[in-house]
Amino acid sequence: EAAVTQSPRSKVAVTGGKVTLSCHQTNNHDYMYWYRQDTGHGLRLIHYSYVADSTEKGDIPDGYKASRPSQENFSLILELASLSQTAVYFCASSDATGGPYEQYFGPGTRLTVL
Amino acid sequence: QQKVQQSPESLIVPEGGMASLNCTSSDRNVDYFWWYRQHSGKSPKMLMSIFSNGEKEEGRFTVHLNKASLHTSLHIRDSQPSDSALYLCAASKWTQVVGQLTFGRGTRLQVYA
Repeated sequence: EAAVTQSPRSKVAVTGGKVTLSCHQTNNHDYMYWYRQDTGHGLRLIHYSYVADSTEKGDIPDGYKASRPSQENFSLILELASLSQTAVYFCASSDATGGPYEQYFGPGTRLTVL
Repeated sequence: QQKVQQSPESLIVPEGGMASLNCTSSDRNVDYFWWYRQHSGKSPKMLMSIFSNGEKEEGRFTVHLNKASLHTSLHIRDSQPSDSALYLCAASKWTQVVGQLTFGRGTRLQVYA
């Protein structure tokens, strides 16, 4: 089964501070995604990437940056954390061959901004 | 406006009962539907996918798709307490970046013994 890991698993940040969430996958998947989950909102796509050194905006990119330095690693960066960014963040990856592809999710990072 | 709408928001069924969950896309260009299950405190995991009109069965789980109405439903027979979870429906288009999904807000299922 696909393995996606995230770090840290939880974090408390101060308003205005910088936060970096990291994601690592060991399955040779080309596609990686960052979602946030809030109660009552399901999952919403923030950024995604289909090749190293390139990222694309998802549905809610404002306030977030992303970085894909290698195929295995994908980071989400909050330059100036705000209270509204308190949420659970999930990273996911998927393959790029053979048709519509299942996404494999990491365990999530619970971010609390105070 | 939520492009993928799920109903009901929550559902309580007895152990051994049937649970029926619904999902509709307001985007007429979607091609694929997915059902993910998320247990409390865990990450979502794909349960079933359906891309063609009709029905697909895997064990106690059956999914239906009507592409004309862009409606899919998930049915769980002989429900078990371990089925208690948040069920997320997602849709995608073949013209999008492969794998890019739009999720609904989910149906929270509780199965009581």
